Amino acid sequence: IAGITQAPTSQILAAGRRMTLRCTQDMRHNAMYWYRQDLGLGLRLIHYSNTAGTTGKGEVPDGYSVSRANTDDFPLTLASAVPSQTPVYFCASSDSDRNTEAFFGQGTRLTVV
Amino acid sequence: AQSVAQPEDQVNVAEGNPLTVKCTYSVSGNPYLFWYVQYPNRGLQFLLKYITGDNLVKGSYGFEAEFNKSQTSFHLKKPSALVSDSALYFCAVRTYYGNNRLAFGKGNQVVVIP
Repeated sequence: IAGITQAPTSQILAAGRRMTLRCTQDMRHNAMYWYRQDLGLGLRLIHYSNTAGTTGKGEVPDGYSVSRANTDDFPLTLASAVPSQTPVYFCASSDSDRNTEAFFGQGTRLTVV
Repeated sequence: AQSVAQPEDQVNVAEGNPLTVKCTYSVSGNPYLFWYVQYPNRGLQFLLKYITGDNLVKGSYGFEAEFNKSQTSFHLKKPSALVSDSALYFCAVRTYYGNNRLAFGKGNQVVVIP
């Protein structure tokens, strides 16, 4: 692994189903983020984590949960998928103590039917 | 809470002409400012950042941006646009007051016309 990796890259999901999007980084960054990208709305922060063991809510947290059991992994769970949850999801990480830029994964395109 | 405004939805520019993409921000405290570019069906790629020091920062692919504290702006510029610069551009701001929240603007579509 080099950088930040998201899985899956795309997924079709039935409404009401639970889904976990995976995000792993190998840069030992302390901060990690989940964003959703909707057409015309840019990137909106869902949840973030400053360091392992802590998480915080972003702009649009409803219907989503996260965990940060260790430095490398930051999974995002949709408890019950709804059709409005069909943007592209991006995971990112940064070393905020050194003020590095955020590094982004390639995105997960989710379709809820 | 920090926020970013990118007032224009789309910026059209002729190839070879100067390109400017506007960004203003709102934060409590000193801002850390970033520009990213996104090509179709791809993730975001970092272009440049302002943390401290010289207000004019230079980044990848010939881009630069100027931090203006009095106008709370961080406009992205390129002296001579290329067709390959056509993409979606995002401005982002972060400050550290107990959290590391990185806030993005809605993005600007840049179209460089041959």
